[in-house]
Formats: sequence, structure tokens, C-alpha cells
Amino acid sequence: DAGITQSPRYKITETGRQVTLMCHQTWSHSYMFWYRQDLGHGLRLIYYSAAADITDKGEVPDGYVVSRSKTENFPLTLESATRSQTSVYFCASSGGTGRATGELFFGEGSRLTVL
Amino acid sequence: DAKTTQPNSMESNEEEPVHLPCNHSTISGTDYIHWYRQLPSQGPEYVIHGLTSNVNNRMASLAIAEDRKSSTLILHRATLRDAAVYYCILFYTGTASKLTFGTGTRLQVTL
Repeated sequence: DAGITQSPRYKITETGRQVTLMCHQTWSHSYMFWYRQDLGHGLRLIYYSAAADITDKGEVPDGYVVSRSKTENFPLTLESATRSQTSVYFCASSGGTGRATGELFFGEGSRLTVL
Repeated sequence: DAKTTQPNSMESNEEEPVHLPCNHSTISGTDYIHWYRQLPSQGPEYVIHGLTSNVNNRMASLAIAEDRKSSTLILHRATLRDAAVYYCILFYTGTASKLTFGTGTRLQVTL
């Protein structure tokens, strides 16, 4: 099906482990984003990408690594997970070439628990 | 970044109109006003956006003050499915990083 998909939807890991959250979109959108949402808070931008091989930091990038070798994929890696990274992670994409549009399409989220 | 201010929560009866306010007194001339909503256990979804003129679509209407320092999202007939958190966001098309979510307004809809 067309759209934006995240995997895994649920993940439990331990402190210090590496975790990768996957995001895949089928629209060939230029822009992709990773947000995290903590209980009772709005979404905070972690990283974003304007195109393949172009990434930039958002508000809360520390402890996260991203890559974008292909337009359709934007994985988010926690190299050494900490309890403070327990959160719901949302991936989003946006059309437009060269500049973003404000219409983002979000995935269903990945709920990560770090013990 | 220009900030927005929204009430933490609002209540509405089903099938009545709902007016969700948003203040953005430091808005710049190039900022678009976007609204998103987030249903329980789902990712946010785009609702509507505008720059200066009022806008209508199948989901809602957006009324923008003449000085652009405030806006109102209007749901013409609220249903139980409209219960969600509504985010008012200022978006500058020059850079993607400006799409910053606040804490939004939690809308409760009752029978």
C-alpha cells in the first residue's frame, strides 16, 4: 500500500543497546522528519532530511543518528539507548522539491521502551 | 521561532460548532499558519493552512485575523471523532526545521 510506514511499531530494549527505527514512504517526497513525543508533551523534532544524503539536526538530536541513502527510507538509530529515550517516535514526510511544504504526512508511530 | 499560544483544553457538544483559538503575536510576514490534529494513539494529521485569507476545506475552516496575530480553527459540526489534540503551528517555507509543535488544545466532544 502507498503511504508512510514505520517499523517496528513496538520495541522494548535495554539501556546501552543499539536500536534502529525504520521509516519508509512511497510518495517520493523530498523531505522526511523524525519527531519524538513524550507523555503530555507535543512533538519535538529530532532530525530532518531535505533529500537523499542531506540531513540536519532538529531541536533534540543528541543521542540519535540518521542516514538517508535512498529517498524513500529514513532510519533513526539510537546508538546506545538510554531510559530518557523512552518515547513514541513519529516519522513524517513532505512533498516539495527544494523547499518544504507545511503539509506533513505522519506514520503511525513507533513506541520505544528502554529498560 | 515565532510561538503560538493555545488553550490547554476545550469542550464541545456534538453537532455544535467549535472555535479553537490560536494567538501568534510574533508572526512574520512569511509564516504560514498550519493546523494539525492528533487523534488518540495516532500520528498527527494535517487539517488546514493559510497565509492571510480565510480558508475552507472539507475538514474545517480557518479564520485569520486581519493583523495575522491570531487565528481560529472552526469545526462546523463537531462529532465524537473530532475529539483530538489540535495544534496551531507557524511554518516558514524557507526551512523545514521551522515546523515546531507546541502542546496544542485537547478538544473533548460530548453527546
